[in-house]
Amino acid sequence: QKEVEQNSGPLSVPEGAIASLNCTYSDRGSQSFFWYRQYSGKSPELIMSIYSNGDKEDGRFTAQLNKASQYVSLLIRDSQPSDSATYLCAGRYGGATNKLIFGTGTLLAVQP
Amino acid sequence: EADIYQTPRYLVIGTGKKITLECSQTMGHDKMYWYQQDPGMELHLIHYSYGVNSTEKGDLSSESTVSRIRTEHFPLTLESARPSHTSQYLCASSVGGQTYGYTFGSGTRLTVV
Repeated sequence: QKEVEQNSGPLSVPEGAIASLNCTYSDRGSQSFFWYRQYSGKSPELIMSIYSNGDKEDGRFTAQLNKASQYVSLLIRDSQPSDSATYLCAGRYGGATNKLIFGTGTLLAVQP
Repeated sequence: EADIYQTPRYLVIGTGKKITLECSQTMGHDKMYWYQQDPGMELHLIHYSYGVNSTEKGDLSSESTVSRIRTEHFPLTLESARPSHTSQYLCASSVGGQTYGYTFGSGTRLTVV
């Protein structure tokens, strides 16, 4: 079982709709979580981070964390065609390694 | 503006050649990482470093080697390139602490012919 799991998609939503991207993790030692956006052929770009249970909002993006259910999500409101990309979920563990563990990513396609 | 730089951006090279992919960051980050990513596929960690003179192999076996002589510089070397090395190589850096993510460079797309 992968430590961070995402549905590979593609997730297709119409322009203006809410896109909901989900991620589950297996290690309760994960302390913080990150969402990256990666356009085709480009490098990942950090868009959101979340460390505490609940919601965190930044513009059209809302990250949600539920540590009891080991579940992280990213909501994109008013989706635009320019949001079409692969979204990577990553969890950071404590201890000596302190590495990010990435999921395989979810491909989002926003239809005009 | 990027604070982590990778060169070259694209490289096409013949089999058997030695190559070095450069990665430098100006943020003073202790931790640096190299990832390999094929088109449409997941990221694979191949090397990481927690500071000067500290390097470790990542989760994916790689024939490449790295060095960390200066904090800001983390080059990756392939002694003898093969077509199987064709891929995108991404360098990243971070500070310590669990609330910080990685900052990625723009990547080097390597093609070995």
